[in-house]
Amino acid sequence: KNEVEQSPQNLTAQEGEFITINCSYSVGISALHWLQQHPGGGIVSLFMLSSGKKKHGRLIATINIQEKHSSLHITASHPRDSAVYICAVNPQYGGSQGNLIFGKGTKLSVKP
Amino acid sequence: DTGVSQDPRHKITKRGQNVTFRCDPISEHNRLYWYRQTLGQGPEFLTYFQNEAQLEKSRLLSDRFSAERPKGSFSTLEIQRTEQGDSAMYLCASSFNRDGYTFGSGTRLTVV
Repeated sequence: KNEVEQSPQNLTAQEGEFITINCSYSVGISALHWLQQHPGGGIVSLFMLSSGKKKHGRLIATINIQEKHSSLHITASHPRDSAVYICAVNPQYGGSQGNLIFGKGTKLSVKP
Repeated sequence: DTGVSQDPRHKITKRGQNVTFRCDPISEHNRLYWYRQTLGQGPEFLTYFQNEAQLEKSRLLSDRFSAERPKGSFSTLEIQRTEQGDSAMYLCASSFNRDGYTFGSGTRLTVV
């Protein structure tokens, strides 16, 4: 079992729909990241969370540390939101304090 | 500062050849990370540096792989005697301690 699990793996939505992507993790963490990856490979950091909720434009990220769960919401989705969304965590244990552990990503396609 | 730069963007090489990739991090960032991503998977941690010190290496990093960050600024990742299984996207990221994670656009390696 991966230490970071995302659902769904693939998501197709109509423009304007409200979208939720979920992330569950099994290790102790110091922070959780939501990342966006477009075709071509480059990764953009959307949020870094250690508690509560953050909002940036149409994107909202929440985290529940006790339940080891985070969600990324996109309001009023648009075709330009189509990308792979990746959840990653900073593990708290041992010497692995620098690297991130990544989920496999959720491929989002927003149709006009 | 234009972010994290990686060079080259694409590399096609014949099996058995050596390849070297370069990463220029954000200048204020003391940490630099290398990740590998294969198709349909999330990135996997390879190694990270704090300043010029290589603090952690994944067991994914076989003895054919070596990374350096000689002056605590740019880093190189060399793969010797490339194999087809080395074909992947190689991503570099940098941060200041755990803050401000910024990814480069990656180097896509194809071994033929």
